[in-house]
Amino acid sequence: AQKVTQAQTEISVVEKEDVTLDCVYETRDTTYYLFWYKQPPSGELVFLIRRNSFDEQNEISGRYSWNFQKSTSSFNFTITASQVVDSAVYFCALTRYSSASKIIFGSGTRLSIRP
Amino acid sequence: ETGVTQTPRHLVMGMTNKKSLKCEQHLGHNAMYWYKQSAKKPLELMFVYSLEERVENNSVPSRFSPECPNSSHLFLHLHTLQPEDSALYLCASSQERGGSYNEQFFGPGTRLTVL
Repeated sequence: AQKVTQAQTEISVVEKEDVTLDCVYETRDTTYYLFWYKQPPSGELVFLIRRNSFDEQNEISGRYSWNFQKSTSSFNFTITASQVVDSAVYFCALTRYSSASKIIFGSGTRLSIRP
Repeated sequence: ETGVTQTPRHLVMGMTNKKSLKCEQHLGHNAMYWYKQSAKKPLELMFVYSLEERVENNSVPSRFSPECPNSSHLFLHLHTLQPEDSALYLCASSQERGGSYNEQFFGPGTRLTVL
């Protein structure tokens, strides 16, 4: 069975601190995709990144970075020098390579950045 | 208009009403999705349409009826809903290539309240 676990329900940090959001997944598939989405208070989910299971290279995009480790089935997301605008709910998701219906979202982590 | 749009943004209806949610994508995608997001529950995938054909119905009650007249439009027809159906309904689209479903782009959602 496929499963995505985001153990951190809520995180609160002071602006400019670094923060890491954890994501652990379970799958028996050898080919799959992992995603991170951001949901600000407006409600719309914003796509952040997609990672193919064959590509374990870490990625950095500005203040955002992702650490994909197949050995521990984790796909963690780090925000460096956090800003108030980063406050949102962040979702990690997993999908089979060839099945849109099998996309599984984690329960989300609510991140609050205090000024 | 750009991206994925949804109307209305807010809807209040009685249990005996019939209403429809509308979604339109301006991204040239060929797959569209309906999700339900309830408080403190993971995102639930309801329906998937690929090339205007329904490819998945995840055990959704028949009081929810989707319609996809073309690749740019998706509707969710609602009738005799229950209060527990109150939630944020999100529409998304993606580009399917050879069975591989890519990242999904979401609309802002319709906040539905059933009285």
